[in-house]
Amino acid sequence: EAGVAQSPRYKIIEKRQSVAFWCNPISGHATLYWYQQILGQGPKLLIQFQNNGVVDDSQLPKDRFSAERLKGVDSTLKIQPAKLEDSAVYLCASNGPLEKLFFGSGTQLSVL
Amino acid sequence: GEDVEQSLFLSVREGDSSVINCTYTDSSSTYLYWYKQEPGAGLQLLTYIFSNMDMKQDQRLTVLLNKKDKHLSLRIADTQTGDSAIYFCAEMKSNYQLIWGAGTKLIIKP
Repeated sequence: EAGVAQSPRYKIIEKRQSVAFWCNPISGHATLYWYQQILGQGPKLLIQFQNNGVVDDSQLPKDRFSAERLKGVDSTLKIQPAKLEDSAVYLCASNGPLEKLFFGSGTQLSVL
Repeated sequence: GEDVEQSLFLSVREGDSSVINCTYTDSSSTYLYWYKQEPGAGLQLLTYIFSNMDMKQDQRLTVLLNKKDKHLSLRIADTQTGDSAIYFCAEMKSNYQLIWGAGTKLIIKP
């Protein structure tokens, strides 16, 4: 069974630039999550989708972050414009049976 | 609050048992999970326990749940160098929200 796919693996940008991350969840998983993980911390939920609808985006900084999941399959997360404090690993996960989350390898973002 | 708390570090000798502890706050949690994160990698689900269980064993892993004290532990028997990682505890609340601890870094001494 293929896992959660994410790209790119690494991204380096300057502050005020834009960046986009892509995620393809495990086939058949209806729930998709985007997490932000800052070094030394646990993951912080940014947004949760159920199919193509948003379930929880209460911690998404909506002035600069946006996410979509068209057709209820793959998803993109965008940051525009990026700030230094956005440097983190962005993890995508999808939800299997018994609410078990399966994570992708993440995108490591460095904002200079 | 909604905190899940873990110690930041645990150091054990190779071959000994490791016990990683976690406390949580929501007595109505449905599932509790242990995830492992190796350097530069995503989070890997190690094991989970349903809230009406008090113990679960899976090869070298033993999970103990004390609902009264809201305490969860992960025991790794015969700890190996490959077990070096950060271990995250997470609780699934009744509204399906997942609350994460900050992670415990397991350091293996030769």
